Amino acid sequence: GEDVEQSLFLSVREGDSSVINCTYTDSSSTYLYWYKQEPGAGLQLLTYIFSNMDMKQDQRLTVLLNKKDKHLSLRIADTQTGDSAIYFCAEISRGSYIPTFGRGTSLIVHP
Amino acid sequence: DSGVTQTPKHLITATGQRVTLRCSPRSGDLSVYWYQQSLDQGLQFLIQYYNGEERAKGNILERFSAQQFPDLHSELNLSSLELGDSALYFCASSTGTGRNEQYFGPGTRLTVT
Repeated sequence: GEDVEQSLFLSVREGDSSVINCTYTDSSSTYLYWYKQEPGAGLQLLTYIFSNMDMKQDQRLTVLLNKKDKHLSLRIADTQTGDSAIYFCAEISRGSYIPTFGRGTSLIVHP
Repeated sequence: DSGVTQTPKHLITATGQRVTLRCSPRSGDLSVYWYQQSLDQGLQFLIQYYNGEERAKGNILERFSAQQFPDLHSELNLSSLELGDSALYFCASSTGTGRNEQYFGPGTRLTVT
């Protein structure tokens, strides 16, 4: 089946930029998503990008998509301690209703 | 607040028992998804309903079943519970079409002792 891979951990200092990376195998992906999960809570949709876009910016968040390499990244500018959470990458294929989620990247922000 | 509600928040029960988890989707969403999240398996898709009908099935055990009612709320039934069923169970809802982004509820933490 299709696969979505993410590194498990990322540690950054407060005020720095964080870049969370994701690779996927499905060449027919239509939408790609980033979700955030804080401890004890459900997944919260942060942003999405359509597969024919290269970049999307939303305040401190920048999503970059390299469709040729099937690589998606989420950049968080000026990372704050409140950004500490698990970030999930997900993709959905053309004709499918079920997104495939990565295992999540745990972002740890040091003061 | 995603607009998706789940009850109960926590559930502790014994092996062999049966439990029912409930979910109300966001207003206007026709589709409901159930997921199981555990440390070793990550987020596993179980089943999807759209407007009362089962639309897709994932890694759902035969001991588990679900349904979506005419008012669009959904229930996930887990029976003959085993220790390994201890996990977070999430419900998500979406419009079921187009971008189809999912909105997750806060989850039900099930502990089987």
